[in-house]
Amino acid sequence: KAGVTQTPRYLIKTRGQQVTLSCSPISGHRSVSWYQQTPGQGLQFLFEYFSETQRNKGNFPGRFSGRQFSNSRSEMNVSTLELGDSALYLCASSPSGDTQYFGPGTRLTVL
Amino acid sequence: GQQLNQSPQSMFIQEGEDVSMNCTSSSIFNTWLWYKQEPGEGPVLLIALYKAGELTSNGRLTAQFGITRKDSFLNISASIPSDVGIYFCAGLRGSSNTGKLIFGQGTTLQVKP
Repeated sequence: KAGVTQTPRYLIKTRGQQVTLSCSPISGHRSVSWYQQTPGQGLQFLFEYFSETQRNKGNFPGRFSGRQFSNSRSEMNVSTLELGDSALYLCASSPSGDTQYFGPGTRLTVL
Repeated sequence: GQQLNQSPQSMFIQEGEDVSMNCTSSSIFNTWLWYKQEPGEGPVLLIALYKAGELTSNGRLTAQFGITRKDSFLNISASIPSDVGIYFCAGLRGSSNTGKLIFGQGTTLQVKP
């Protein structure tokens, strides 16, 4: 089976802009979780979608949002970017939300 | 945010040596996962544990789900240079936290040939 794919792999934006990241899970997996990874905070959970519904949400501001489509592909949006949003954004695919398989990530740099 | 206590933070060992690392928490977990991450890549799943006391191997790697459900251990035997990377533990709590992995801070492993 093909693994988890994320696009784009690298992104440079300026403060105040918005960005949309995409994740295609492993075929047959219905759960997609998103994480932010930074050197200071490590890996932090953003939110999880299962069958197009958000089931869980982490402690991030409302500028961070996501959605999942009927084919299980997911997108994450960050509005009004801040410098502190620079991070590696990872999505993880799972059949049901427990054992998770990660994609390569999207490296976002905010200038 | 909430994190697991993972130790050691880093290790620098000689090729052929065995490695041990662990994760502890004050909370109970239902699932423990161990990942390895290399520069510029996402974490790769190494071992998944689902039951207290479970001991699971994957080649030279062995991991255990602590009997109290509050800790987990990973051992790497006979290390080789390609074992270099950052190892993370991750735990999943009850059904109300489905999909929400909590991560340790990572153990950076360096292997001297």
